[in-house]
Amino acid sequence: AQSVTQPDIHITVSEGASLELRCNYSYGATPYLFWYVQSPGQGLQLLLKYFSGDTLVQGIKGFEAEFKRSQSSFNLRKPSVHWSDAAEYFCAVGTYNQGGKLIFGQGTELSVKP
Amino acid sequence: DTGVSQDPRHKITKRGQNVTFRCDPISEHNRLYWYRQTLGQGPEFLTYFQNEAQLEKSRLLSDRFSAERPKGSFSTLEIQRTEQGDSAMYLCASSRDAGEQFFGPGTRLTVL
Repeated sequence: AQSVTQPDIHITVSEGASLELRCNYSYGATPYLFWYVQSPGQGLQLLLKYFSGDTLVQGIKGFEAEFKRSQSSFNLRKPSVHWSDAAEYFCAVGTYNQGGKLIFGQGTELSVKP
Repeated sequence: DTGVSQDPRHKITKRGQNVTFRCDPISEHNRLYWYRQTLGQGPEFLTYFQNEAQLEKSRLLSDRFSAERPKGSFSTLEIQRTEQGDSAMYLCASSRDAGEQFFGPGTRLTVL
């Protein structure tokens, strides 16, 4: 069965420090992978996506993610975190052979210390 | 760019009442998805439409839930005889075919 695992429920980093949020997936076919961010009271905003090609993808707000097929991972990174990055982050796999629905992980809440 | 809109943003109801939510997708998008998100969890797929046809329903969508998308434009999600377990954020997303999904702000349902 398809699934997405985000092992870290909550992460705290200092402003200016680097960030890596982990995501592992289980999917039988070539995955389409996404990272979304959700701020309190806001909808989900797409940070970046991987469909094919270069395994290192760049997104908005200075985020990037690397697809590693051998590890079934799609970790999100940012070299220097800003206080405004505090939010909930969701990794998702797109089931493009099943209508395109997204399967989400349970999310990682990011707190940023001043 | 008006984005995806949902109405109402918040709904408080008593157990046993019926509620209906509306989603207006981005105008040129032919696919519309409904998800449910409970506290501390990621969104879970409920159902989706391609134009006016409902193509898939999750097992999460009990027979108390019904969704429509008349004329392939806006969609409604109705919950009959609400239960406390229905309390959640209901998210709508739209896309062009199986492309990137754009999400609305959600409707937060509280069942007392």
